[in-house]
Amino acid sequence: ETGVTQTPRHLVMGMTNKKSLKCEQHLGHNAMYWYKQSAKKPLELMFVYSLEERVENNSVPSRFSPECPNSSHLFLHLHTLQPEDSALYLCASSQDAGQLSYEQYFGPGTRLTVT
Amino acid sequence: TQLLEQSPQFLSIQEGENLTVYCNSSSVFSSLQWYRQEPGEGPVLLVTVVTGGEVKKLKRLTFQFGDARKDSSLHITAAQPGDTGLYLCAGSGTYKYIFGTGTRLKVLA
Repeated sequence: ETGVTQTPRHLVMGMTNKKSLKCEQHLGHNAMYWYKQSAKKPLELMFVYSLEERVENNSVPSRFSPECPNSSHLFLHLHTLQPEDSALYLCASSQDAGQLSYEQYFGPGTRLTVT
Repeated sequence: TQLLEQSPQFLSIQEGENLTVYCNSSSVFSSLQWYRQEPGEGPVLLVTVVTGGEVKKLKRLTFQFGDARKDSSLHITAAQPGDTGLYLCAGSGTYKYIFGTGTRLKVLA
C-alpha cells in the first residue's frame, strides 16, 4: 500500500468511447504525475501537476486530457483513443515537483485496452 | 537528451546466486532512485542516492552511485524468488525525471 490509489484497475474501451481514469493520493503531496508504460519501452512521463497547476506536458496527443481539481486528485480523460494507446497508465505523487530528490510513490496502475 | 540505459535487460538466475544490475548514462544526475515493479502493480521505491560514490544497503541489496553521478549499480546477494520483478532506475536532472529501460529479473527456486 503506497498511499496512491487508482481506479479502475482494468479498462477495455472502443475507439469511439469516452472514459476517465482516477487517481487519489493520501500522502499530503503537492505534485502528481501521469505515466504511460508500454511493453518494451521505458516509462513515459505524460503530465506533471504541481499544486493543481500543470507544469509539464510531454507532447501528449490531445485525446488525453488531464484534470487536477485539487492536490489529492488527478484524472485522465480519454476520448477517441487508438489501439496503440493500450498500455498500463500509472499515477504517481511526490512531495514537490521541483526538488532535487524526486522520490515518487506510484499507484497500482490502470491496464487499458483499446479495441 | 538524457537517457538511462540499464543492463542486462533480462536475467534469470537460481536462488542463492548473486547478481549486479547496472544503470548508465552520459549525463549527470542530481539524484537517482531505484524501484522494483511486480506484475500488475506500480513501481515501489527502494532507495535514493544523492552523493557521488554513495553506497546504501537495504538487507541483501547494495546500491552504489558512481563518483561522477552518471551511473549506478544494484547488487543482490543470495537472491530469493521474492526478488523477482522489474528493476527500474530513475534519475532527476535539469527539469526532468527520467526512467531507465529496466531489468527484468527472475529468480528460480
